[in-house]
Amino acid sequence: DAMVIQNPRYQVTQFGKPVTLSCSQTLNHNVMYWYQQKSSQAPKLLFHYYDKDFNNEADTPDNFQSRRPNTSFCFLDIRSPGLGDAAMYLCATGGQETQYFGPGTRLLVL
Amino acid sequence: GNSVTQMEGPVTLSEEAFLTINCTYTATGYPSLFWYVQYPGEGLQLLLKATKADDKGSNKGFEATYRKETTSFHLEKGSVQVSDSAVYFCALSDSPGGYNKLIFGAGTRLAVHP
Repeated sequence: DAMVIQNPRYQVTQFGKPVTLSCSQTLNHNVMYWYQQKSSQAPKLLFHYYDKDFNNEADTPDNFQSRRPNTSFCFLDIRSPGLGDAAMYLCATGGQETQYFGPGTRLLVL
Repeated sequence: GNSVTQMEGPVTLSEEAFLTINCTYTATGYPSLFWYVQYPGEGLQLLLKATKADDKGSNKGFEATYRKETTSFHLEKGSVQVSDSAVYFCALSDSPGGYNKLIFGAGTRLAVHP
């Protein structure tokens, strides 16, 4: 059974048009993470939630925002996507030691 | 800061060959170490982990031993299969402020041919 679900798997948006990616988890963990993975690169942490506390990485652009309405769901909002934001976006959740990843959403910016 | 270095790929092997993917780390303290695998078009799956020195993580025929003296966590498998073709990421956990931040290596692509 899927533990971390991401929708959609593929998302196409236009340059500058806001887009939202969604993630849900069935593990009831209090931490959720969003990573950006560009082609042939390692995943890079954008931010995480500890319960409702939002924590931004220092180098995450302001263009990226997030919402967590409840324990199960977390959203990634890209306010004005640029061509450089085309990537795989990975959601993860986890306890003290291990992170569990979703299948990712591949974002294409036209 | 903490970092992970792993061997560059791609690594190309014939089926049933022995696999080693090298991983070394730099860290203050004693982080947990992980190997994640990413199949084409998919997210990351945890392959194995080790939480303290001399621990050996193992799963699906893969093994890695946490070596504090050499700051290494090399991934090995005795006999690879075509289905093992994927990208492998070594990672360490850096836990500032109570959450588990993963720092990944650049990834090593493995291609196994029949």
